[in-house]
Amino acid sequence: AQSVTQPDARVTVSEGASLQLRCKYSYSGTPYLFWYVQYPRQGLQLLLKYYSGDPVVQGVNGFEAEFSKSNSSFHLRKASVHWSDSAVYFCALSAFNYAQGLTFGLGTRVSVFP
Amino acid sequence: GGIITQTPKFLIGQEGQKLTLKCQQNFNHDTMYWYRQDSGKGLRLIYYSITENDLQKGDLSEGYDASREKKSSFSLTVTSAQKNEMAVFLCASSYRGQDTQYFGPGTRLLVL
Repeated sequence: AQSVTQPDARVTVSEGASLQLRCKYSYSGTPYLFWYVQYPRQGLQLLLKYYSGDPVVQGVNGFEAEFSKSNSSFHLRKASVHWSDSAVYFCALSAFNYAQGLTFGLGTRVSVFP
Repeated sequence: GGIITQTPKFLIGQEGQKLTLKCQQNFNHDTMYWYRQDSGKGLRLIYYSITENDLQKGDLSEGYDASREKKSSFSLTVTSAQKNEMAVFLCASSYRGQDTQYFGPGTRLLVL
């Protein structure tokens, strides 16, 4: 069985500051990893995904994530946040048979203050 | 591009009632999913469907039925609404052979 852990339920940052959201996964095979963002009263939107290759992947709106097989992690980063980045961020994992759906972490709620 | 539409946006039911949620997508995706989102518990897979008329149970299928009569639509039925059935239900779809899932805006269920 696979699992995803996001250890920080809430993160508060000032506008213009950097942001890092942590994600740890547990899976015996090669994972496909994703970060999704959920704005208030909306569905989830894909930020970025990782399959293989360069462990640093770029996403939308200046987000990037770094995969580490040795640490079983897939942390999300942004160099300078804007107030509009306030949202809930979900890390998710897909097993080899991706048609079986995604396994999500519990999410991290990010609040950006001016 | 495409869009996923979920109806209704809000669903209020009585305990014990059978309630149906609907999802439509115009991506021409093969695979569709239903997830339940509870506060503080992330998203959990209820049912998914690889193609028309296919149904697969997820981790949270007990208490739910699903139906995929057409490629573009996927319905979820709460067979007997319970007081603790207060959650957001998210529909998603993806191409078969790909993994990026696109999500609808959700249906918010409240059971009185």
